[in-house]
Amino acid sequence: GENVEQHPSTLSVQEGDSAVIKCTYSDSASNYFPWYKQELGKRPQLIIDIRSNVGEKKDQRIAVTLNKTAKHFSLHITETQPEDSAVYFCAASLYGNKLVFGAGTILRVKS
Amino acid sequence: EAQVTQNPRYLITVTGKKLTVTCSQNMNHEYMSWYRQDPGLGLRQIYYSMNVEVTDKGDVPEGYKVSRKEKRNFPLILESPSPNQTSLYFCASWGQGRIEAFFGQGTRLTVV
Repeated sequence: GENVEQHPSTLSVQEGDSAVIKCTYSDSASNYFPWYKQELGKRPQLIIDIRSNVGEKKDQRIAVTLNKTAKHFSLHITETQPEDSAVYFCAASLYGNKLVFGAGTILRVKS
Repeated sequence: EAQVTQNPRYLITVTGKKLTVTCSQNMNHEYMSWYRQDPGLGLRQIYYSMNVEVTDKGDVPEGYKVSRKEKRNFPLILESPSPNQTSLYFCASWGQGRIEAFFGQGTRLTVV
C-alpha cells in the first residue's frame, strides 16, 4: 500500500522567510497530492493540491511542486507570517482512494 | 452548510466498555474515512469506505469496526476499548470529482 514520508517534523523560520516541507510517496500509481493545514485545536483543512499531470501549482504565497520520477512533492510558503504557524500534512491518493497522510510538520513562524 | 459532524467531541470511558463515535456528512460524498491523530504520528487511517456497504482497512484497523449502511453515515465502533486507543479521532469525507477531504470537529477519546 501507499506510504508517505514527510520532512522535517518541525520547522522554525523568521517572519518573512520562506518555508519548504518535503514529502515522498511509495506508490507510483498515486495521482493526487493535497496539502492540509491544521491550526491548534482545529480540524485539518485543504490549502492546495496538485495532480500528477501538473508539475507545479501556485496560490498566492503557497506553491506545490511535484517530481513524479523521484516520487516526491514539496510545499513552499513564501513571505511567511505568524498566522502560517500550524501543522502541515501532505497526502497521496489514487483517484481519491484511501488518502494516506504524512506524519505532519509543525511550522513555527517567529516574529 | 456543507459539513461533517461527529459526536461526541469528548469521551472518557473505561477499558472494555463498547462505544460508538458517530459521523455524518451532508455533501453526498462517496468516500468516508476515519483517522486517528497521535503526536509525531500524523493522521493514520483506520478504515475507509468507497460507498454504501463498501469498506476497507486502513493502516491501523485493529480494535475498530465500521459500517456504511447509508451514504451519509459512517460510525466507528470500539467493541472493547483499551488504553492504547486513547487518541484524537477525525472523520473525513470527500467526493470522486473534487477530492477535497472535509473533516469533522474531532473526538478526543480517553480510555482508562
